[in-house]
Amino acid sequence: DTAVSQTPKYLVTQMGNDKSIKCEQNLGHDTMYWYKQDSKKFLKIMFSYNNKELIINETVPNRFSPKSPDKAHLNLHINSLELGDSAVYFCASSQMPSGSYEQYFGPGTRLTVT
Amino acid sequence: GEDVEQSLFLSVREGDSSVINCTYTDSSSTYLYWYKQEPGAGLQLLTYIFSNMDMKQDQRLTVLLNKKDKHLSLRIADTQTGDSAIYFCAAENSGGGADGLTFGKGTHLIIQP
Repeated sequence: DTAVSQTPKYLVTQMGNDKSIKCEQNLGHDTMYWYKQDSKKFLKIMFSYNNKELIINETVPNRFSPKSPDKAHLNLHINSLELGDSAVYFCASSQMPSGSYEQYFGPGTRLTVT
Repeated sequence: GEDVEQSLFLSVREGDSSVINCTYTDSSSTYLYWYKQEPGAGLQLLTYIFSNMDMKQDQRLTVLLNKKDKHLSLRIADTQTGDSAIYFCAAENSGGGADGLTFGKGTHLIIQP
């Protein structure tokens, strides 16, 4: 199936740990994104990557670092996890240029920091 | 930066029409989107509209855009229980699609029998 996939779907870890979330898209898209959705369902963009170059970097802590080994993957590394990092993280991709920049979202990774 | 606002809750009776409203601030947003999120699920793109259009219809969905007032609405005709979800309005950030989208806080659509 063509899609945006993320692993793991659930991640429970303790404060201070380092963790990674993987994202892969087989849509042939040029741009990938990471969004954070907090407990109130508010969605905010964190990063976007186009052709392996970081395009924007919102005001997120530098404990978060996106890594793109190739055009189809954008992984999210988080160091020294904090309680406030608990959220659902969504990966997305879009084709550039395109007429509409439709973004396709992965199923999300629910991160719980204890 | 872009700011997108929408009401948090909307309650309608099954079979009625639902109208979800959204306002945005950046008039340079070329595309505006509606996403649907069912409980425990990811985001599903419902529809989008190009900024030079006033209206777009797709089966039970009608999108209206008032660019002058920066107002976007999504109408769902004949609302069904399966339409119960959170609906997010989203606008392109100023850098175009490369800068991602700014989302509203989402409208919880509640269907009454």
